[in-house]
Amino acid sequence: GQQLNQSPQSMFIQEGEDVSMNCTSSSIFNTWLWYKQDPGEGPVLLIALYKAGELTSNGRLTAQFGITRKDSFLNISASIPSDVGIYFCAGSSTTSGTYKYIFGTGTRLKVLA
Amino acid sequence: KAGVTQTPRYLIKTRGQQVTLSCSPISGHRSVSWYQQTPGQGLQFLFEYFSETQRNKGNFPGRFSGRQFSNSRSEMNVSTLELGDSALYLCATRTGANYGYTFGSGTRLTVV
Repeated sequence: GQQLNQSPQSMFIQEGEDVSMNCTSSSIFNTWLWYKQDPGEGPVLLIALYKAGELTSNGRLTAQFGITRKDSFLNISASIPSDVGIYFCAGSSTTSGTYKYIFGTGTRLKVLA
Repeated sequence: KAGVTQTPRYLIKTRGQQVTLSCSPISGHRSVSWYQQTPGQGLQFLFEYFSETQRNKGNFPGRFSGRQFSNSRSEMNVSTLELGDSALYLCATRTGANYGYTFGSGTRLTVV
């Protein structure tokens, strides 16, 4: 199935460090979503972006909708141990008249205390 | 407000059997989507239902089917199970087309 390219695939960071991850697509999207998934649970929505260039924050998390509408970025500032998990981006477009979301392959984050 | 409820949480089936998974959306969420999650393939879209009609469909074989009831609850069925069907099946609901999903905790299906 079609997927977005998400990078990095995984990262180990020290507690307190800032984290950056991104998602790219060959298609233009109208909406970008960022999710976090903890082991054994479903993904939880962190941030939703609806406009090119939009920058939205949720606590220590900040996400941006790329100007080209083909990419999005998520930053986590001052990471803490509970930030551990898998982060997914998801994008949707209306080119086909539907709003089906396509998910990235995920970034696995591990925080070293 | 209750979240998205998926039942059962865990399921073990043998090859060739069929299985039915259930999803109850958040009150007011009329759109229900199903995703398959495996370590190798990530989150793969199965189908989406809105007002009891299938609106979108992913690239899965006909063994995978679903339906939605008038109260927005949805079920998905997998017939003639194969080992490769072992996965976490996630239900995701939303109020309308351009809104983010709320996911359930998933049903972990193991086919032996």
